[in-house]
Amino acid sequence: GAVVSQHPSRVICKSGTSVKIECRSLDFQATTMFWYRQFPKQSLMLMATSNEGSKATYEQGVEKDKFLINHASLTLSTLTVTSAHPEDSSFYICSARDLAGNYGYTFGSGTRLTVV
Amino acid sequence: SQQGEEDPQALSIQEGENATMNCSYKTSINNLQWYRQNSGRGLVHLILIRSNEREKHSGRLRVTLDTSKKSSSLLITASRAADTASYFCATGTGANSKLTFGKGITLSVRP
Repeated sequence: GAVVSQHPSRVICKSGTSVKIECRSLDFQATTMFWYRQFPKQSLMLMATSNEGSKATYEQGVEKDKFLINHASLTLSTLTVTSAHPEDSSFYICSARDLAGNYGYTFGSGTRLTVV
Repeated sequence: SQQGEEDPQALSIQEGENATMNCSYKTSINNLQWYRQNSGRGLVHLILIRSNEREKHSGRLRVTLDTSKKSSSLLITASRAADTASYFCATGTGANSKLTFGKGITLSVRP
């Protein structure tokens, strides 16, 4: 089945620095990838839809200048948390769908971001 | 915004018993999916049911969909301790549309 690789799995950074999270579709091409955020014991909240070769579509309330998304190829999307603050600490998960298959969406393993 | 609402919020059962989880949603959908998440991990796709389907099976999983009631249920038969996880329903409005997730159900299966 389709595999989505997400790195890093854990990152600790200092306030004010930027962190980049990568999401790769390993054996399929993903024209669209999705980025979610999940707080402890809560559900996934969609942050943005990443479209290959074009600008991302952000959900209401998500700051596009703070959460930079780049989808430069059919297999790679990146999320950069800029000028991170402790309140940005969360679990970030990406997903994509192999449209050639007949499955649901494949999710990355997630990135635990801690801003200190 | 969240569309799906699962119930119960938490479920604790004995190994070997069946677990039934329900999900309700509010708007029209193209498909409904169930996912599993182990603590601190990504989500694993379990099963997808399309809006024109009423029931689907996959191994020990059985999912039903009632579009008139805007509800779905996930049944796990003969549960195992390894089934302990959080389960989420998610709705999609198209083949590659964004998913809207419910709040999730925490299932604990006691050995």
